[in-house]
Amino acid sequence: NAGVTQTPKFQVLKTGQSMTLQCAQDMNHEYMSWYRQDPGMGLRLIHYSVGAGITDQGEVPNGYNVSRSTTEDFPLRLLSAAPSQTSVYFCASSYSTDRGQLFFGSGTQLSVL
Amino acid sequence: DAKTTQPPSMDCAEGRAANLPCNHSTISGNEYVYWYRQIHSQGPQYIIHGLKNNETNEMASLIITEDRKSSTLILPHATLRDTAVYYCIAHGSSNTGKLIFGQGTTLQVKP
Repeated sequence: NAGVTQTPKFQVLKTGQSMTLQCAQDMNHEYMSWYRQDPGMGLRLIHYSVGAGITDQGEVPNGYNVSRSTTEDFPLRLLSAAPSQTSVYFCASSYSTDRGQLFFGSGTQLSVL
Repeated sequence: DAKTTQPPSMDCAEGRAANLPCNHSTISGNEYVYWYRQIHSQGPQYIIHGLKNNETNEMASLIITEDRKSSTLILPHATLRDTAVYYCIAHGSSNTGKLIFGQGTTLQVKP
């Protein structure tokens, strides 16, 4: 099992550019989520999904889109990147919504200039 | 999820037990207490969880008070590699998966 795989590990964007952060898990987990972590801060929930075809907003959803067409993949889209989105992004998954044992990816460090 | 309160930082001598407290006075009956840690800028790592009984695994022990309003994570013999941010989270099956991480406790293990 590879666990939770995030790509890319590093990315630099210019303001206004779009990109997709990829997240894939091979554990057949129902629940997947995206967090961002700013320097010296805890993790803040962006979006989450409780299964294929179902997504919902977390604490800080503005500026981000998600979709869940398969159980394995949960991409995070930045439609028009802004400097305020400079952060480290973590994807996580768990077996189900009521079991909080999350498995995290290694993160994507994003800089928006 | 119930709000949790943790001290922002703690120190511990290498080889000694590290006791990390967490207050969750508004926890409801179906909410578990979960502990995670984050080393450097890696993704958080699950440590342990419990409902009302004390729990132990190869990484740590979790002591939950009888009224469930607080808990303590115990690392029995802290090493330098245990230096990390430790997060305490109350999470129940009634919510739809919004696992919320607070600021956590930064544990510094010193030689």
